[in-house]
Amino acid sequence: QVQLVESGGGVVQPGMSLRLSCTSSGFTFSLHIMHWVRQAPGKGLEWVAVIPPDGTNDFYADSVKGRFTLSRDNSRNTVFLQMNTLRVEDTAVYYCTRQRVSCSGETCSSADGLDVWGQGATVTVSS
Amino acid sequence: QAVLTQPPSVSAAPGQKVTISCSGSSSNIGNNYVSWYQQLPGTVPKLIIYDNYKRPSGIPDRISGSKSGTSATLAITGLQTGDEADYYCIVWDNSLSAGVFGGGTKLTVL
Repeated sequence: QVQLVESGGGVVQPGMSLRLSCTSSGFTFSLHIMHWVRQAPGKGLEWVAVIPPDGTNDFYADSVKGRFTLSRDNSRNTVFLQMNTLRVEDTAVYYCTRQRVSCSGETCSSADGLDVWGQGATVTVSS
Repeated sequence: QAVLTQPPSVSAAPGQKVTISCSGSSSNIGNNYVSWYQQLPGTVPKLIIYDNYKRPSGIPDRISGSKSGTSATLAITGLQTGDEADYYCIVWDNSLSAGVFGGGTKLTVL
């Protein structure tokens, strides 16, 4: 069963840190670009960050750049989102999501579309 | 100002057709693929269109996507009450080096 499971959410005070984890199962994790998307209460979806299969050249939304850091451990099928200097406006449900892969024979390459989503981890930043 | 512009809401009667626009620029929609997501109340977003117009398996053909220039459009025909949801477009922005979502459109089936 193809699945993404987030963990590590919680309630923290402004300025503190949290690390979210997203563990995958049911597919070859090391082939996939992984994204984080968040949704503040009652608001729309906001793209947060992306990390390629080899863990290099990650990119971030301006709203989190310099505070959030992505990493991944392909041996553990897990991607991590380290969130530092948290702000009240970072309060949201954080979704881990997989970018599609298109395969032709034994050759696979990244493709458009986020086709598998976790259930989300709730992060609340409040004093 | 949002990078991608969607109408906040659209509505139509059951059985009718509705379209949702997603307007961007040459740095995003004009040069990259657009995908669309449906988020039913209280649920996780679901991919319904990728590569501008392709449907994942299991998505009915009454849902379609298109792109022209710097705008993309999601169309749903034969509306059902179960289509009531929020719909989002997303595309990579080459200038920002970031993904960008539209603000989302709430579909009401009257």
